[in-house]
This record gives sequence, C-alpha cells and structure tokens, in this order.
Amino acid sequence: SQTIHQWPATLVQPVGSPLSLECTVEGTSNPNLYWYRQAAGRGLQLLFYSIGIDQISSEVPQNLSASRPQDRQFILSSKKLLLSDSGFYLCAWSSAKNIQYFGAGTRLSVL
Amino acid sequence: AQSVAQPEDQVNVAEGNPLTVKCTYSVSGNPYLFWYVQYPNRGLQFLLKYITGDNLVKGSYGFEAEFNKSQTSFHLKKPSALVSDSALYFCAVRDQTGANNLFFGTGTRLTVIP
Repeated sequence: SQTIHQWPATLVQPVGSPLSLECTVEGTSNPNLYWYRQAAGRGLQLLFYSIGIDQISSEVPQNLSASRPQDRQFILSSKKLLLSDSGFYLCAWSSAKNIQYFGAGTRLSVL
Repeated sequence: AQSVAQPEDQVNVAEGNPLTVKCTYSVSGNPYLFWYVQYPNRGLQFLLKYITGDNLVKGSYGFEAEFNKSQTSFHLKKPSALVSDSALYFCAVRDQTGANNLFFGTGTRLTVIP
C-alpha cells in the first residue's frame, strides 16, 4: 500500500533562517506531488506541484521554492524565512485515479 | 475557471441527527468533485469522490454526497451524526487543465453536540 511521510511535524525557526521540509512517498511510482499551505486552520493554498523529477510548477510568487530530486521525494525550501511564512504545510500525492492523499503536515512557526 | 464554495463556516448538529455540509461548484464541462475531512493538526483524509455515474456517492465513515447538476451542488450528508464526526470538512473540484490539481473550498467546521 502507498504511504506518505512528511517531517518534521513541528518546527520553530527564527526570521531569516533557512527552511527545508521533506516529503516522501512509498508504494507508488511517478506520482504527482503537491505542497500546500493552510493558514489558521482554514483554506488550502496550493504552493507547488510536480508531475515528474525536476518538473516543478509554482502557483503563487513567494519566498519559498520546491525541488524534486528523486521520483518520490519532494522538498520545500526557503533561504530566509519571513514571519508570514508561518503556517501548516501539507504535502500530497496523486495518481491517475485523481484522488490526492495527504501527509500529516508540518506546523511551522517563524518567530 | 473552476471553483467550489462552502457557504457555511460552521455547522452544529445534535448527535444522532442527520447532517448536511453544503458545497456548490462552478466548472465548464463535467466536474470531478471530492470531499475531504481534517481532524485537528492532521492532514486531510479523502472521504469520497464523484466522477461520473450515480448521483449519490457513498464514502468512508458512513458519509455520502449527492451530486445535483441542475443546482451545481455536491452536498455531504450522513443520516446520523456522531460526536467523532466533529472536524473540518473541505469540498474540492479538480483542475481540468491537468496535473490533477484540486481547488478547495474554504472549509466548514462541523460540531456534533452530545
């Protein structure tokens, strides 16, 4: 069966520090991968999606970047965090069946 | 462009009563519609989807949703609410331009009162 792992679960970082959040998927190949941000326990904002290795699309301009160095690995990064980067970050994957499956999320607090 | 709307931020229902969480959609062409549930500090869990076929779709945990093309709605329902159903519910529609992207509604917080 397929599983998705996302870590860390919680992260507290100072303003100006770098960020690296990692997401890996097991049990499937060539998945579509997604990064979302959820503010204040409400709506989801799609940040990046990827249909293959090194194929990343950005949905909104921001202080973040994404990379997909391996088929089932998706990384969210920042060189210098801003206060506004605080939020709940969710990774997801999907196959041809259209359903997206989500990781447990990372709660990022930038102080 | 496709979108979904969840008109209610909050729904309260007594335990044992039927529940409905509303969703309306806007797409050109045939919609692919989804419902997800989110428990506190957790990722979203898939409940059910409508692609084609019967208008009444059955999903996980006793939930079902009714697709209504004339009203462009896809309301989530359950005949008898449980306290454990209390959570945040999201409706979503698939991006028809590819990559299986989903457009999510703003979410409805369901509280089931014992």
